[in-house]
Amino acid sequence: GNSVTQMEGPVTLSEEAFLTINCTYTATGYPSLFWYVQYPGEGLQLLLKATKADDKGSNKGFEATYRKETTSFHLEKGSVQVSDSAVYFCALKDTGNQFYFGTGTSLTVIP
Amino acid sequence: DGGITQSPKYLFRKEGQNVTLSCEQNLNHDAMYWYRQDPGQGLRLIYYSQIVNDFQKGDIAEGYSVSREKKESFPLTVTSAQKNPTAFYLCASSMKASYNSPLHFGNGTRLTVT
Repeated sequence: GNSVTQMEGPVTLSEEAFLTINCTYTATGYPSLFWYVQYPGEGLQLLLKATKADDKGSNKGFEATYRKETTSFHLEKGSVQVSDSAVYFCALKDTGNQFYFGTGTSLTVIP
Repeated sequence: DGGITQSPKYLFRKEGQNVTLSCEQNLNHDAMYWYRQDPGQGLRLIYYSQIVNDFQKGDIAEGYSVSREKKESFPLTVTSAQKNPTAFYLCASSMKASYNSPLHFGNGTRLTVT
């Protein structure tokens, strides 16, 4: 069946460090891929998405590339800020409109 | 602004009482979903609905019930049969017709049952 596996946390980085959160998926067909961010006490917000192989999603300095050959969608940011502290979820949507989420990765950025 | 409204933000109930969580969307989305989130954990699907007057069980439907009488509304009832109801509940919606359309989430309801 379809599933998403993402890097376990928590992750702690100093401000301006480089961020990578790994995400791999298992799916039949051609899913769409998403990264969501959740701040404390809030719902999930869409951060970026990619809908086909080799697409790069980007937003607020975050990027992720849809790699079909490695079934991956790793999240990267070149220079993190304290305000990026949150929980990040990788997700896929299959052609049957079903969503599958990873377990989330908590990021803390320290000044 | 279009979006999803969940109310209330915090809800307290005594054990043995049923409680209904509200979810309304004005995005004209066909599909709506309820997820449960426990501390430090990911999302687990309770129920979803792809069209009015139809809904399906998710992975953890036991002890919950839903209705979808209107496109805009998808209330969730947590019944007394739910053994561990204290959690953060998230409602979401998406456009059914577009398979690459993302989920849009409300801000959640935190339910505490004592």
